[in-house]
Amino acid sequence: EDKVVQSPLSLVVHEGDTVTLNCSYEVTNFRSLLWYKQEKKAPTFLFMLTSSGIEKKSGRLSSILDKKELFSILNITATQTGDSAVYLCAADTGTASKLTFGTGTRLQVTL
Amino acid sequence: DTEVTQTPKHLVMGMTNKKSLKCEQHMGHRAMYWYKQKAKKPPELMFVYSYEKLSINESVPSRFSPECPNSSLLNLHLHALQPEDSALYLCASSPQGWPYEQYFGPGTRLTVT
Repeated sequence: EDKVVQSPLSLVVHEGDTVTLNCSYEVTNFRSLLWYKQEKKAPTFLFMLTSSGIEKKSGRLSSILDKKELFSILNITATQTGDSAVYLCAADTGTASKLTFGTGTRLQVTL
Repeated sequence: DTEVTQTPKHLVMGMTNKKSLKCEQHMGHRAMYWYKQKAKKPPELMFVYSYEKLSINESVPSRFSPECPNSSLLNLHLHALQPEDSALYLCASSPQGWPYEQYFGPGTRLTVT
């Protein structure tokens, strides 16, 4: 059975801190790993990673994939209260566009 | 335009009602999805349409009936739902072909009374 595990489950940090969120996966026919941010409603797309060792970066957020060790990390530097959200990772198993989601990491950034 | 729209935003229905959820995208995507999300849980895939044909049905009860009238529209028809079906229903779309990412709509918050 395909499985995606995220850690930690929740995290509280102070504004300005740097955080690292973890995502490990065990899936058949792995093709890519995706990160989403979910606030109150829809998940919003952050990154899609297909190759090992190539960092993707968008502002204060960055992510990297290790296909040998089957994990990905999402880094957020200089956190802001607007970063408070649930961060979801999902593995694309290549089976007719199916994504397997992890349970998410709930991040709270306090002043 | 990377927008997926969903209507209604909120829906309250009784167990004997029939209602429909609507999803629309104008990005030219050829794959569309319905997900169900319970509180503090990740989205769970329900259905996948690829080129307007149902390609995945994740053993969803027949009281949920999807429909894809054209490449831009996706409906979810609801009938005789149970209170445990109360959830956030998310629609997503993605370009056909790999690699791709799924873009989600804002969801419909459904309450079954």
